[in-house]
Amino acid sequence: DGGITQSPKYLFRKEGQNVTLSCEQNLNHDAMYWYRQDPGQGLRLIYYSQIVNDFQKGDIAEGYSVSREKKESFPLTVTSAQKNPTAFYLCASSIAGGSYGYTFGSGTRLTVV
Amino acid sequence: GNSVTQMEGPVTLSEEAFLTINCTYTATGYPSLFWYVQYPGEGLQLLLKATKADDKGSNKGFEATYRKETTSFHLEKGSVQVSDSAVYFCALTYTGNQFYFGTGTSLTVIP
Repeated sequence: DGGITQSPKYLFRKEGQNVTLSCEQNLNHDAMYWYRQDPGQGLRLIYYSQIVNDFQKGDIAEGYSVSREKKESFPLTVTSAQKNPTAFYLCASSIAGGSYGYTFGSGTRLTVV
Repeated sequence: GNSVTQMEGPVTLSEEAFLTINCTYTATGYPSLFWYVQYPGEGLQLLLKATKADDKGSNKGFEATYRKETTSFHLEKGSVQVSDSAVYFCALTYTGNQFYFGTGTSLTVIP
């Protein structure tokens, strides 16, 4: 079955550490996205990538980094510069343009301890 | 700018009740409009969409009509079930590169 896989489902990080969230899709989608979800704030775009080796900042990119070396993979690194990293992170993919809608992964809940 | 406003929740209904979740948007042009549903601990799933004015999106008994004159895309279902309990997000996009999501409306259906 085609889909988008995020791992791990739960992640704990000590303050000052970088951590990388995995996102893999086998839908042959060109575009991939990272969103952050906080209670009462909806979803906010962190980064997106329309093609391999290219990505753009979203509304809240500070403290995050991404790479897109393969079409199937779009990992997100939460760096120590992100002041409030505890959140639910959602990865999504779409055909080029995305106007038909996204396919979302099941999310990673990151907690800083 | 572009934004989406949803009615605040939580919404609690009895099984078989009629559901309306209001969604209005602010946009400079003619976006595509979407409803997504999120079950506890999961990602979002596309529920329905409409790409132009007067289009009606429908799926699993849910419906929403793109109303340009009132800039609205209200979600409705005639008879809700316990399994419909989830958080519902309204969203818009122009190009698909960025979606603008509402804050979500939590629905709980009690037997």
